[in-house]
Amino acid sequence: GNSVTQMEGPVTLSEEAFLTINCTYTATGYPSLFWYVQYPGEGLQLLLKATKADDKGSNKGFEATYRKETTSFHLEKGSVQVSDSAVYFCALSDLSGGGADGLTFGKGTHLIIQP
Amino acid sequence: NAGVTQTPKFQVLKTGQSMTLQCAQDMNHNSMYWYRQDPGMGLRLIYYSASEGTTDKGEVPNGYNVSRLNKREFSLRLESAAPSQTSVYFCASSPLGQGAADTQYFGPGTRLTVL
Repeated sequence: GNSVTQMEGPVTLSEEAFLTINCTYTATGYPSLFWYVQYPGEGLQLLLKATKADDKGSNKGFEATYRKETTSFHLEKGSVQVSDSAVYFCALSDLSGGGADGLTFGKGTHLIIQP
Repeated sequence: NAGVTQTPKFQVLKTGQSMTLQCAQDMNHNSMYWYRQDPGMGLRLIYYSASEGTTDKGEVPNGYNVSRLNKREFSLRLESAAPSQTSVYFCASSPLGQGAADTQYFGPGTRLTVL
């Protein structure tokens, strides 16, 4: 079956530091990959996505590249801000195996940015 | 546009009580989903509805029922609540309901405690 593994936090960084959150996946077919962000007390929001190998998703200074050879979709940002503090979820969607039409999520990474 | 709305925001039940969580979207989306979020578990799919009039089980459907009342509304019912159903419940919708690249839009969540 499908699964997503991401580094568990909390991850604590200082403002303006470089961020990497690792994400690897297992899928039976050719999934689309997503990063969602959850701010305290809110629902999830799409941060970025990539639908095929070598695609790069980007938004708000965050980037992630779909690497089929390493089955990875690591999230990066060059200079984080306090406002980036949130929980980040890596997720995949893969309908090729006839599975449920929903997202498979990683467990989430809690990011804390200190001033 | 309100997006995806959920009611109630908070609920406390006693074991064995029943309740219905309501979800509505005003984006004319075809597909709707119910997830539960537990600490250290990420989000897991309970049920989904690919289109009006259809519903299917996700990863963790036991103890739940759903109704796709119309295109806008998708409700989740707990017939006899158990402490294991203490969780945060998220409703989501997506426009096409076809293909893995569809973005899902999430509601703010319902925090349910079963005593």
